[in-house]
Amino acid sequence: DAMVIQNPRYQVTQFGKPVTLSCSQTLNHNVMYWYQQKSSQAPKLLFHYYDKDFNNEADTPDNFQSRRPNTSFCFLDIRSPGLGDAAMYLCATSSAWGNTEAFFGQGTRLTVV
Amino acid sequence: AQSVTQLGSHVSVSEGALVLLRCNYSSSVPPYLFWYVQYPNQGLQLLLKYTTGATLVKGINGFEAEFKKSETSFHLTKPSAHMSDAAEYFCAVNKGSQGNLIFGKGTKLSVKP
Repeated sequence: DAMVIQNPRYQVTQFGKPVTLSCSQTLNHNVMYWYQQKSSQAPKLLFHYYDKDFNNEADTPDNFQSRRPNTSFCFLDIRSPGLGDAAMYLCATSSAWGNTEAFFGQGTRLTVV
Repeated sequence: AQSVTQLGSHVSVSEGALVLLRCNYSSSVPPYLFWYVQYPNQGLQLLLKYTTGATLVKGINGFEAEFKKSETSFHLTKPSAHMSDAAEYFCAVNKGSQGNLIFGKGTKLSVKP
């Protein structure tokens, strides 16, 4: 049974058109993460939530925002996607902050045209 | 600061041969170490992890890794490669008390028939 679910799996958006990616989890984990992974690169952490506390990585562009309305759901909003934002976006969860494994969703591959 | 170095962006082995994927880490605190596998257009799946205790860790799909503090290494091995092992493999370390994973750049494993 899928535990971290990302929708959609593939998303095509137009240059500059806002887009939202969604993630849900059935693990009841406190921590949710969003990673960006470009082709042949390691995943790069954009931000994470510990419960409702939002933590932005210092180098995450302002173009990227996130919402977590409840424990189960987390959204990634890209306000004005550029061609350079085309990537795989990975959602992950963990039960605690620090020294625990992360559980990943299948990812959403974003194409910007 | 924690970091991870994976030697070799691409490793090719024959089916039935030994798989050895190298990972070295740097950490100012005792690290928690992880290996994840990623199949094309998929999320990351945990293979194994080292937290404390036994330094030889067994994971899924016949993989294992040994934590060697003196060498700051956590190499991944499998005695006999299968075609289904072809994927990208990421070594990761926890960022100490900050909690999030720091990934290496990944090693793409190819398995030849």
